[in-house]
Amino acid sequence: LAKTTQPISMDSYEGQEVNITCSHNNIATNDYITWYQQFPSQGPRFIIQGYKTKVTNEVASLFIPADRKSSTLSLPRVSLSDTAVYYCLVGPSGAGSYQLTFGKGTKLSVIP
Amino acid sequence: DADVTQTPRNRITKTGKRIMLECSQTKGHDRMYWYRQDPGLGLRLIYYSFDVKDINKGEISDGYSVSRQAQAKFSLSLESAIPNQTALYFCATSDFDTYTDTQYFGPGTRLTVL
Repeated sequence: LAKTTQPISMDSYEGQEVNITCSHNNIATNDYITWYQQFPSQGPRFIIQGYKTKVTNEVASLFIPADRKSSTLSLPRVSLSDTAVYYCLVGPSGAGSYQLTFGKGTKLSVIP
Repeated sequence: DADVTQTPRNRITKTGKRIMLECSQTKGHDRMYWYRQDPGLGLRLIYYSFDVKDINKGEISDGYSVSRQAQAKFSLSLESAIPNQTALYFCATSDFDTYTDTQYFGPGTRLTVL
């Protein structure tokens, strides 16, 4: 499974755009990139998933360059409620998703 | 996610006691998982089940056992609890999907072993 590296923590002011980058140099051809969000004392929640280029939903955008060795989760105009830990997971989707590993994630703190 | 419930939400027990954590889901998903989370660490997979007759060990299954009583119920047991099993335990479900297989997590059970 591809190993991921992401910053341990980030701070941002309310209203700013936040970009969290995840490195995954040994991503495999059939691997997808998935991001989850976890609030304190709650279970993780799926945010977004992508394979290449750009994916956007109502919560975030995911940018994946052509070589797929990294990806960037973009949160537009964050608010205090976006304070959470964000996990980048790389691995097979669908039938193989149980192999995904939740690392330590990136703790995002949004400052008023 | 309210569709995945866990009981109890908090439990304090003593070393050597047997304890069961229960998970129920109304999402109709075939796949269910048990994870543990320790402070400052990510989630680690304990056991997973793809259907009622299928049980598989995860990364850290030693000291744990599971039972899949029905499609909607997946229980985790600690046969003889020890202090280093103090952690936050999450149950999750997913539906087989060749594209996303998104996992839906319960609210967690905070277990303390004294």
